[in-house]
Amino acid sequence: GENVEQHPSTLSVQEGDSAVIKCTYSDSASNYFPWYKQELGKGPQLIIDIRSNVGEKKDQRIAVTLNKTAKHFSLHITETQPEDSAVYFCAATPGNYGGSQGNLIFGKGTKLSVKP
Amino acid sequence: KAGVTQTPRYLIKTRGQQVTLSCSPISGHRSVSWYQQTPGQGLQFLFEYFSETQRNKGNFPGRFSGRQFSNSRSEMNVSTLELGDSALYLCASSFDLSYEQYFGPGTRLTVT
Repeated sequence: GENVEQHPSTLSVQEGDSAVIKCTYSDSASNYFPWYKQELGKGPQLIIDIRSNVGEKKDQRIAVTLNKTAKHFSLHITETQPEDSAVYFCAATPGNYGGSQGNLIFGKGTKLSVKP
Repeated sequence: KAGVTQTPRYLIKTRGQQVTLSCSPISGHRSVSWYQQTPGQGLQFLFEYFSETQRNKGNFPGRFSGRQFSNSRSEMNVSTLELGDSALYLCASSFDLSYEQYFGPGTRLTVT
């Protein structure tokens, strides 16, 4: 089945710097890759997603890139702010579920700390 | 628009008991998925429902079950609770099977 690996597990940056989190997946048929941000005591919040027919997507300070050949995708956060501090999860949808995106396979998470 | 709501938010149960958790999706959303989050295993998919039918199921024992009602609200049940069932149980809803999922705040279950 699908397996998603995420690195690093912890990341500490200075305010204003960029942060990059990387994920690899095993199922070449996977076609949907969302990123979630989880703050303490809250559920995961969808921050950006990308589908397999797109190589890059941006939303203000956040961007995601996808390399289907290498089976990896990355989250880029520019001009980081203290409120970006949280745990970030990447996920992938296995390709054998008839188009359904409800069965996300998650990475183990990256704890991002942004120091003022 | 109100987000995904889950009740109760916190629950303490004794080993061997059963528990039912409830999820109300975002208005208009027809698909509901459930996930278990633990420090050791991370976020793991339990099952997905669409139009009252279970569409997909994760690798969990039969003690874990769920259902969806005609108004898209969903419940999940865990029978014969074990200590290892202590976790944050998250519900996510989406408009349809191929749309983005939005998570609720979760139900924190503690089994003693």
